[in-house]
Amino acid sequence: EVVLTQSPGTLSLSPGERATLSCRASQSFSSTYLAWYQQKPGQAPRLLIYGASSRATGIPDRFSGSGSGTDFTLTISRLEPEDSAVYYCQQFGWSLTFGGGTKVEIK
Amino acid sequence: QVQLQESGPGLVKPSETLSLTCNVSGDSMSRYYWSWIRQPPGKGLEWIGFIYYSGSTNYNPSLKSRVTISIDTSKNHFSLKLTSVTAADTAVYYCTRGGQTYVNNWADPWGQGILVTVSS
Repeated sequence: EVVLTQSPGTLSLSPGERATLSCRASQSFSSTYLAWYQQKPGQAPRLLIYGASSRATGIPDRFSGSGSGTDFTLTISRLEPEDSAVYYCQQFGWSLTFGGGTKVEIK
Repeated sequence: QVQLQESGPGLVKPSETLSLTCNVSGDSMSRYYWSWIRQPPGKGLEWIGFIYYSGSTNYNPSLKSRVTISIDTSKNHFSLKLTSVTAADTAVYYCTRGGQTYVNNWADPWGQGILVTVSS
């Protein structure tokens, strides 16, 4: 099983700041099989990024993804209050697993 | 625009079988993958398994012995059965659509989720 480790566990930043979220895999896989999701309290997750770097429909361009192999990053360039959420990475290159999530808090 | 809606009992007794259905509207189920994912209260996401429209399945190894996912494209729904449930199976259960090919198999969209509690 591919284990995805997300860090940090919690990120507390001010509006307008840049958020950098990490997702590290226990073994390498193609970036094609890496996605990011956003989950707000009481809501279902929403697809943000697929193929490691492609934004899903309707996702603002302040969200971007990058990475390859075992190291992937989600960047929120200028935080907005509505970006307060938990963010999960997911791989489906080797079976299918999720990371444990990073909580982004807006000060 | 495709929409998914989970349905089923919100309370299941220990050792019994959890049965849920995901109703799909707004698009055909053909040529897509369909998944079940769960989230225990206050915890992260766990993939349960997926089924291709043709009926082929793939399950989480940790749940494989207890899980069956089936599909009925003529009725536009797919289903989850999880046997011998315990309190550890208490979670919000989500159904999702995957891709038309495995390389596109990210989850989008998601149903709103249904809380299933295992308790006597």
